[in-house]
Amino acid sequence: QQQVKQSPQSLIVQKGGISIINCAYENTAFDYFPWYQQFPGKGPALLIAIRPDVSEKKEGRFTISFNKSAKQFSLHIMDSQPGDSATYFCAASKGSNYQLIWGAGTKLIIKP
Amino acid sequence: EAGVVQSPRYKIIEKKQPVAFWCNPISGHNTLYWYLQNLGQGPELLIRYENEEAVDDSQLPKDRFSAERLKGVDSTLKIQPAELGDSAVYLCASSLGGINSPLHFGNGTRLTVT
Repeated sequence: QQQVKQSPQSLIVQKGGISIINCAYENTAFDYFPWYQQFPGKGPALLIAIRPDVSEKKEGRFTISFNKSAKQFSLHIMDSQPGDSATYFCAASKGSNYQLIWGAGTKLIIKP
Repeated sequence: EAGVVQSPRYKIIEKKQPVAFWCNPISGHNTLYWYLQNLGQGPELLIRYENEEAVDDSQLPKDRFSAERLKGVDSTLKIQPAELGDSAVYLCASSLGGINSPLHFGNGTRLTVT
């Protein structure tokens, strides 16, 4: 019940296309859902985060869509660029619990 | 602002040897985390500090792993003795603290145990 399931494991998208990564969770107590971006040899960096009181959050080309009833959330990268090539992790946490539950990651490759 | 600094970047040791990793968090960040990341997987929390107090070490294998955060700033993570299965990237992160405060990660130490 603590798991966050992320898909796909890897994704190849043409430059200019839309990249979509999905995550699903079981624990309805989760109330914070961040996405982290990790480049090779670097630590993860927070990209964008959402709370369940909104269904969508957009920051530039990055959008989180949140479906509370389905217990799913997804990251959309519009106009994907080669510089977006990285591994993306979704995560979730609940209330006063500081511990993030991480997805397994999606390796995204944007082809020029 | 300067980011989270970790050293060394790489470490190769033989099994049964000791090893230590060092982390300097972002100035003013009271919360410090040590994570382990295996290839192709998400980070796994080992220990979380609030200032100098270890408030969550439930995932730390205490038979061989130890950590300290003296004066509530820098932190060290030690493994003694190392095993082959300890080969991974060890990430340090810090945050201002408070619920949902973003984590700022260092670039990690890649440990190879031979």
